[in-house]
Amino acid sequence: AQKVTQAQTEISVVEKEDVTLDCVYETRDTTYYLFWYKQPPSGELVFLIRRNSFDEQNEISGRYSWNFQKSTSSFNFTITASQVVDSAVYFCALSGRSGGGADGLTFGKGTHLIIQP
Amino acid sequence: DGGITQSPKYLFRKEGQNVTLSCEQNLNHDAMYWYRQDPGQGLRLIYYSQIVNDFQKGDIAEGYSVSREKKESFPLTVTSAQKNPTAFYLCASSILLGDTEAFFGQGTRLTVV
Repeated sequence: AQKVTQAQTEISVVEKEDVTLDCVYETRDTTYYLFWYKQPPSGELVFLIRRNSFDEQNEISGRYSWNFQKSTSSFNFTITASQVVDSAVYFCALSGRSGGGADGLTFGKGTHLIIQP
Repeated sequence: DGGITQSPKYLFRKEGQNVTLSCEQNLNHDAMYWYRQDPGQGLRLIYYSQIVNDFQKGDIAEGYSVSREKKESFPLTVTSAQKNPTAFYLCASSILLGDTEAFFGQGTRLTVV
């Protein structure tokens, strides 16, 4: 079975601080994909990034960066110089085909990020 | 604009009643999903569909039913058999099942009164 663990339930930082959201996953698949989504107060999930299991290159997109380490089964997300608009719930998710069937995404429980002005 | 539309945004149901949540997408995606979100919890998969006229149970399908008669539409019925239906329901679609990014609707908040 697949599992995604986001150990940080809530993080609160002051604006302009850097913050890292942790994500640890478990899967028996050799081919899988990892995702991060942002859920603002409006409710819909906004896609941030998709990474396949064969690509361990770190990625940077503006103030966002992602660190994928297969050796530790982690896919951490860092926001640099945080802003109030970054306040949201962030979900890490995993897809794969354990047991031969594809069944959508397995989500972590989310990290509620609060950026204080 | 392309996207996923869920309606209604808020829904109230009396105990013992069935209720249907609408989900429509104009992204030409083959795969569609229904997730349930409870406070402090991640999203749990209810049902998913890879293609028209085909759908599969997810992790928490009991008390729910779906249909996929058209590519654009994937309605979810919450039946009276669902013991704890009050939750936030999210519909999503993706080009392919599982491996590609999913696009989500704005959700329906269902409350049983």
